[in-house]
Amino acid sequence: QKEVEQNSGPLSVPEGAIASLNCTYSDRGSQSFFWYRQYSGKSPELIMFIYSNGDKEDGRFTAQLNKASQYVSLLIRDSQPSDSATYLCAVNDAGGTSYGKLTFGQGTILTVHP
Amino acid sequence: NAGVMQNPRHLVRRRGQEARLRCSPMKGHSHVYWYRQLPEEGLKFMVYLQKENIIDESGMPKERFSAEFPKEGPSILRIQQVVRGDSAAYFCASSPRLERSVNYGYTFGSGTRLTVV
Repeated sequence: QKEVEQNSGPLSVPEGAIASLNCTYSDRGSQSFFWYRQYSGKSPELIMFIYSNGDKEDGRFTAQLNKASQYVSLLIRDSQPSDSATYLCAVNDAGGTSYGKLTFGQGTILTVHP
Repeated sequence: NAGVMQNPRHLVRRRGQEARLRCSPMKGHSHVYWYRQLPEEGLKFMVYLQKENIIDESGMPKERFSAEFPKEGPSILRIQQVVRGDSAAYFCASSPRLERSVNYGYTFGSGTRLTVV
């Protein structure tokens, strides 16, 4: 059973702080890793993807990947109340022909308070 | 350049009826993915299709659920004889043909919220 694990939270941070979201995965063959943001009642929105070990930065977001530890994280700098949402970690399926398939974690609820 | 279009946005069905959910992929995209999100849960993969072909249906319940993506027209997720446990948000996403093992992620449609009463 391929799994993606996230701490469900809620994670509460003050406005302007760094929010750190973590995710572990079980399938060593996975090659692509994603962070989606989902506001209540809305569809998931892709905010970052990463496939090489190390850091990838995009504006206030930094994704970090460590394949040896099977660990991926998302840092949100200068957190804003509008960042309050559920953050979903997803990993592609490396097996067979279904590499388009993503396995999602349960999501971490982030609350940024003023 | 329209995104992934799903309809209806909300669907109410009585137990035992059929539900048909439609998904039109982004222009130029040949692959469609369906996911289900039960209340307070993450997204669960259901099925991955390309035109006229099912690539992976490992997440589909064995009974009552079927999916198709015909040569012309939208992809359809069909649920026969719905039960209350089918109440969920159903999301569709699309992508162009993927190079092996490379997946840059995809965009979801707005979803269909199915309520079974």
